[in-house]
Amino acid sequence: ETGVTQSPTHLIKTRGQQVTLRCSSQSGHNTVSWYQQALGQGPQFIFQYYREEENGRGNFPPRFSGLQFPNYSSELNVNALELDDSALYLCASRPSAGRSTGELFFGEGSRLTVL
Amino acid sequence: AQSVTQLGSHVSVSEGALVLLRCNYSSSVPPYLFWYVQYPNQGLQLLLKYTTGATLVKGINGFEAEFKKSETSFHLTKPSAHMSDAAEYFCVVTHSGGSNYKLTFGKGTLLTVNP
Repeated sequence: ETGVTQSPTHLIKTRGQQVTLRCSSQSGHNTVSWYQQALGQGPQFIFQYYREEENGRGNFPPRFSGLQFPNYSSELNVNALELDDSALYLCASRPSAGRSTGELFFGEGSRLTVL
Repeated sequence: AQSVTQLGSHVSVSEGALVLLRCNYSSSVPPYLFWYVQYPNQGLQLLLKYTTGATLVKGINGFEAEFKKSETSFHLTKPSAHMSDAAEYFCVVTHSGGSNYKLTFGKGTLLTVNP
């Protein structure tokens, strides 16, 4: 059983640029969510995807968007990057609601630095 | 609405000493509670979880936690600290309602273990 994998592991962008982060869910998991972890903070919920549709969103502006594909892999896109977007972005997956007890399985994250 | 408060952003113990990391939660519905651990430059790993049933739950690496509804607490303990326990620990709350298992994280407690 493969775990959650994310790419790239590190990247550097400049203000105003756009970035795409990628995630492959754990085998058998059809729900994926994204979290932002700023330095010294706990992860903050960005959004969740189920069956290729967003079905939950945290307090993040629309320039944070996502996609989920039929194979349950996912992308996080951030437009018009700001310095405060510098963070570790974590992807997490879980089985469908009927088979889940709520815990998420996390990847190792993509560390984004915005200069 | 749900929230988590971790008391103490930094806890330092000697190797072999008791580890106690404190967590209080707030939830308008019966909570699911988790402790996750994050080693440097890594993603999040589930230590243990409480959903329903027995209030004392045991996790990996000798950790355990007790759900106390009357105190709205879910403190994490380990009888004897090991150097490898040095990491950041996050208390997390969610609930079983619907398919949107948004996790709410505490700000984390950094555990250092002194030889």
